[in-house]
Amino acid sequence: GAVVSQHPSRVICKSGTSVKIECRSLDFQATTMFWYRQFPKKSLMLMATSNEGSKATYEQGVEKDKFLINHASLTLSTLTVTSAHPEDSSFYICSARVGSEAFFGQGTRLTVV
Amino acid sequence: KNEVEQSPQNLTAQEGEFITINCSYSVGISALHWLQQHPGGGIVSLFMLSSGKKKHGRLIATINIQEKHSSLHITASHPRDSAVYICAVSIMNYGGSQGNLIFGKGTKLSVKP
Repeated sequence: GAVVSQHPSRVICKSGTSVKIECRSLDFQATTMFWYRQFPKKSLMLMATSNEGSKATYEQGVEKDKFLINHASLTLSTLTVTSAHPEDSSFYICSARVGSEAFFGQGTRLTVV
Repeated sequence: KNEVEQSPQNLTAQEGEFITINCSYSVGISALHWLQQHPGGGIVSLFMLSSGKKKHGRLIATINIQEKHSSLHITASHPRDSAVYICAVSIMNYGGSQGNLIFGKGTKLSVKP
């Protein structure tokens, strides 16, 4: 099946710094990728939909300026958490669809100290 | 009320037991997904269903569209099956983020040797 590679798997950063998370489709082209955030013992929540060559679509309540999404090619979408704060510590995961099938990255555990 | 409800939230079983995890949803869907999330966080898609039943190894997934209900069964459970199992649905004619999934909170399964 299709493979989605997400990097890094874990990152610890200091408050105020920025962190970039990459999501790559390895053997297919993804015009759309989805970025989710998972709080402890909660469902995955959609943050934004990343569209190749155009602006991302953000869900209500998600700060566009804080969570920057870039989808410059058909195989790469990035999520940058800017001016990170301890409240941003969470598990972030990307996903791409191939037809009706959903494929997920490995996820990134972000800890902001 | 959540659009996707799973039960039970936690499940402990002895190795070899037959396990059932249930998922109910309240919206019209185009497909339902069963996902497996291991302790490290990575998510694997197990099944995508729009009707009937699918089987893969010891895993069986069923869906009843009229009752808006799906079940995931694990036969002859094994400690390596220990993970969080997540039900997710693709919304029919979703006017927002096309292709987005709505997730249940997951069922944490522990299989004891």
